[in-house]
Amino acid sequence: EDQVTQSPEALRLQEGESSSLNCSYTVSGLRGLFWYRQDPGKGPEFLFTLYSAGEEKEKERLKATLTKKESFLHITAPKPEDSATYLCAPSQGGSEKLVFGKGTKLTVNP
Amino acid sequence: GAVVSQHPSRVICKSGTSVKIECRSLDFQATTMFWYRQFPKQSLMLMATSNEGSKATYEQGVEKDKFLINHASLTLSTLTVTSAHPEDSSFYICSARYLNRGKYQGTQYFGPGTRLLVL
Repeated sequence: EDQVTQSPEALRLQEGESSSLNCSYTVSGLRGLFWYRQDPGKGPEFLFTLYSAGEEKEKERLKATLTKKESFLHITAPKPEDSATYLCAPSQGGSEKLVFGKGTKLTVNP
Repeated sequence: GAVVSQHPSRVICKSGTSVKIECRSLDFQATTMFWYRQFPKQSLMLMATSNEGSKATYEQGVEKDKFLINHASLTLSTLTVTSAHPEDSSFYICSARYLNRGKYQGTQYFGPGTRLLVL
């Protein structure tokens, strides 16, 4: 059965305090792994797609990496506006459906 | 680019009535659109996959006669919640996948969501 586990469930950081979010997955025939950011009461906002182990992508203070079993979202020197829930979603091979994790709720205090 | 809109953003209705939610891709064509439901403090649960010009594919446990999906064009999909009941109250979110003729892309772009409250 396909599974996605994100940790931690919640993370509080001080502004400027770097950290990493983890996404562990077991999905058959992975086609891609997607990271989204979701603010309260809004739809997810696309951040990154990773297609193969070893791939890395960066956007401003965020960097996503991928191994065969995990993906990490590294946040460098976060700001309060980075506060959101970060969702990881690997794509099933064949059906190409996204399997969403429960997310990590990040709070960055000024 | 890759903007998806939903209408309405919020709707309140009486039990037993039907509600239609529209999902539009504004600046790209989407052969496939997806409908999700999200309950408070939970993640997104896929309800159905909608392909332009064909019948939607529903996930296990989702009643296709209750949640009617129509994908009439490459930019529009609609979800109709028929005979809505209070337990249907939720946050409904659509996504649209980029039409891609080359390398697999698969990125889904999400709409802002529709909050449904059934009284």
